[in-house]
Amino acid sequence: DVKVTQSSRYLVKRTGEKVFLECVQDMDHENMFWYRQDPGLGLRLIYFSYDVKMKEKGDIPEGYSVSREKKERFSLILESASTNQTSMYLCASRGQGSTEAFFGQGTRLTVV
Amino acid sequence: GNSVTQMEGPVTLSEEAFLTINCTYTATGYPSLFWYVQYPGEGLQLLLKATKADDKGSNKGFEATYRKETTSFHLEKGSVQVSDSAVYFCALIPRGNNNDMRFGAGTRLTVKP
Repeated sequence: DVKVTQSSRYLVKRTGEKVFLECVQDMDHENMFWYRQDPGLGLRLIYFSYDVKMKEKGDIPEGYSVSREKKERFSLILESASTNQTSMYLCASRGQGSTEAFFGQGTRLTVV
Repeated sequence: GNSVTQMEGPVTLSEEAFLTINCTYTATGYPSLFWYVQYPGEGLQLLLKATKADDKGSNKGFEATYRKETTSFHLEKGSVQVSDSAVYFCALIPRGNNNDMRFGAGTRLTVKP
């Protein structure tokens, strides 16, 4: 059974904190993605990675960075959390040449 | 640019009613098209897909046909069940750019017994 696992389901952080969201996949997929999901806006791409140590900005990268030191793990970093980053964060992975993406269960982050 | 527009929800239906959720797209060339479903408390999972014009994707009683003339990929089901209650997302991957996957805003469906 294929799996994308996000480290936390719920997180509450204070404004200004550095926040790490972790995502691990067990399918040996090359491509990994971070989205945020907001009501009425659907999923918006923050960053994606197509290989270890490779990353590309998506539509809304401001305020975020990412790290991919190992193929199976893709981390999203909020350098200094702000209240407008309160959202649901979804990680996904996809194999090279495949069109099906597999999603984690999401992390609901609240910044207070 | 590439984008997906889907009908706004929420949609509330009675069990066994007919479902249509509209989806239209803007893209250069002919993208691959998808419907994903998100059940409560879960991540998104692929429901069906179509990769070229006139293809019909189907799964679990749901169907969608890739219509290039109308740039549409409407989701249909003849008889919905309570267990179909979820949020449905239309998505595309542009031809030649496999890393760029675009999603619509999502449509929440509630089916009442």
